[in-house]
Amino acid sequence: DIVMTQTPLSSPVTLGQPASISCKSSESLVHSDGNTYLSWLQQRPGQPPRLLIYKISNRFSGVPDRFSGSGAGTDFTLKISRVEAEDVGVYYCMQATQFPTFGQGTRLEIK
Amino acid sequence: EVQLVQSGAEVKKPGESLKISCKGSGYTFTNYYIGWVRQMPGKGLEWMGIINPGDSDTRISPSFQGQVTISADKSITTAYLQWSSLKASDTAMYYCALYPGEYFQHWGQGTLVTVSS
Repeated sequence: DIVMTQTPLSSPVTLGQPASISCKSSESLVHSDGNTYLSWLQQRPGQPPRLLIYKISNRFSGVPDRFSGSGAGTDFTLKISRVEAEDVGVYYCMQATQFPTFGQGTRLEIK
Repeated sequence: EVQLVQSGAEVKKPGESLKISCKGSGYTFTNYYIGWVRQMPGKGLEWMGIINPGDSDTRISPSFQGQVTISADKSITTAYLQWSSLKASDTAMYYCALYPGEYFQHWGQGTLVTVSS
């Protein structure tokens, strides 16, 4: 199985300031079809997960443009340009290049 | 609007069987896989398996192989996750999600399963 490792596990951020979450995979996520199936999900307290970003950097429908994804190969990053109160929750990276696996989650909280 | 509506919370005893459901609407049910994801209390997300409702092609994670069965009834646009003999360690929130093959696109609201004697 591909192991996904996120850092940090907890991120206290001031409202209006940027936040960044790293996700590293144990092997390359480049699929034989040339695509990289790395996505990011947000789970607000008491809610189901919600897709934010797919294929590294594509924002899903309705996702604010303060969220952005980048990376390649085994190293990926989710950035929030200016954190808002509604961004509190746990963020997961997920790979689907092989059988899907998730990172362990990063808890975003407001300082 | 794409919707996945899951069945309600369940409380069961160890050794009992259970089948929970996930009804899809707002899209062509047979065109996309549906996946199941487990979230144990206070923990992260674990992929359990996926099913293609069109042809019932099913892939189950090695971690859950032999522990659960995934099925679907395309005539009523519903996918299922079932256990034949529950254990206390099956206590968790279970989510279904639409899986186009690259990511989990839309999620159900979750079904909380509690297994306790």
